[in-house]
Amino acid sequence: QVHLVESGGGVVQPGRSLRLSCAASGFIFSSNAMHWVRQAPGKGLEWVAVMSYDGSHEYYADSVKGRFTISRDNSKSTLYLQMNSLRAEDTAVYFCAKDRRDSISWVFDPWGQGTLVIVSS
Amino acid sequence: EIVLTQSPGTLSLSPGERANLSCRASQSVSGSYLAWYQQKPGQAPRLLIYGASSRATGIPDRFSGSGSGTDFTLTISRLEPEDFAVYYCQQYGSSPLTFGQGTKVEIK
Repeated sequence: QVHLVESGGGVVQPGRSLRLSCAASGFIFSSNAMHWVRQAPGKGLEWVAVMSYDGSHEYYADSVKGRFTISRDNSKSTLYLQMNSLRAEDTAVYFCAKDRRDSISWVFDPWGQGTLVIVSS
Repeated sequence: EIVLTQSPGTLSLSPGERANLSCRASQSVSGSYLAWYQQKPGQAPRLLIYGASSRATGIPDRFSGSGSGTDFTLTISRLEPEDFAVYYCQQYGSSPLTFGQGTKVEIK
């Protein structure tokens, strides 16, 4: 059974940095693309970033490009999101999600439970 | 960017009734690359449908998806108590991928 557990969220001041982690189990982590998707409080879903199974490809939403960096450690079955220059509008629950296929299919299945990031002074 | 508009915003129905949720795209969705997700309060979204009409693993057959081009529908044939939730559509045929704003299915 696939299990994704995010951690690293919290309250951070604008302009500061935070790193999120997503520990994966129940599948061959090194065989799947992985995504970050976020949801502002009471709002809809916004895709943030994706990394291919081997780390060779990464893509970002325009809203985070140049500020966020996705990475993975396949030896630890862990996905990361380094978030720099944080803004109030980055406040959200951040979900990691496994891609439905081994290549990047842009369909998310399943999702972790999420970790809340609050950017506030 | 393709804008997805879901309607209605809220659907009030009783258990056992049929639910039809609409997702309309501002331009044609390439390859019918459209997915549906269910989200319950305090939980992560769950994939229901991908490719407009293919059910994800473990999804009951009371959930079905249809449509192409700019008009897509998620149908729940007979609502079970656990189906009351928010439903999102997502297109992945064009970059950037986008989500609809959601339809809440609530108990009448």
